[in-house]
Amino acid sequence: NAGVMQNPRHLVRRRGQEARLRCSPMKGHSHVYWYRQLPEEGLKFMVYLQKENIIDESGMPKERFSAEFPKEGPSILRIQQVVRGDSAAYFCASSPGTSRNEQYFGPGTRLTVT
Amino acid sequence: AQSVTQLGSHVSVSEGALVLLRCNYSSSVPPYLFWYVQYPNQGLQLLLKYTTGATLVKGINGFEAEFKKSETSFHLTKPSAHMSDAAEYFCAAGNNAGGTSYGKLTFGQGTILTVHP
Repeated sequence: NAGVMQNPRHLVRRRGQEARLRCSPMKGHSHVYWYRQLPEEGLKFMVYLQKENIIDESGMPKERFSAEFPKEGPSILRIQQVVRGDSAAYFCASSPGTSRNEQYFGPGTRLTVT
Repeated sequence: AQSVTQLGSHVSVSEGALVLLRCNYSSSVPPYLFWYVQYPNQGLQLLLKYTTGATLVKGINGFEAEFKKSETSFHLTKPSAHMSDAAEYFCAAGNNAGGTSYGKLTFGQGTILTVHP
């Protein structure tokens, strides 16, 4: 059973470009979470999705960030018009259910904005 | 609002010594609790979790943690450190109170463990 897959592992974007981060959850998992890790900080929750639904986006910046988890295909975290402050590691996690179920993390996408 | 505090951003021990990493949570309802380990440039790996039942939880690689409701703590221990334990450790809390925040984890700031030969 393959783990959580994320791609790309490393992404370099110039200021103003768009970044698309992809996450394929573990087989059988229908819950996906995105977290951001800034240098020397812990992980901060961004968004929680189930298939075709955003359940909790309380951690998402109000502008430029969006997420989706379509019926078919991976979950996508999109950052429009990136700025240097967006440089971070973005982790995706999946679980078969909520809360009491542990979340399984992918290897992360390290975004660098130049 | 739920919060997690890890006391000590850096902990250094000698190989073979006791490892103690501290975690306290703040929540009106005792949350589900997790410890994760992160090796450089990798994702997070689950060490152990507490949901209900026995308050002493055993995990992988010889680690264990004890949930103490009266102290709102969930400290991680290992009797004898190995060089391979050097990594960053994160304590996390999951919401046990329902609502739309039911799924998200709240993480502590992390503790970097260094093991000296």
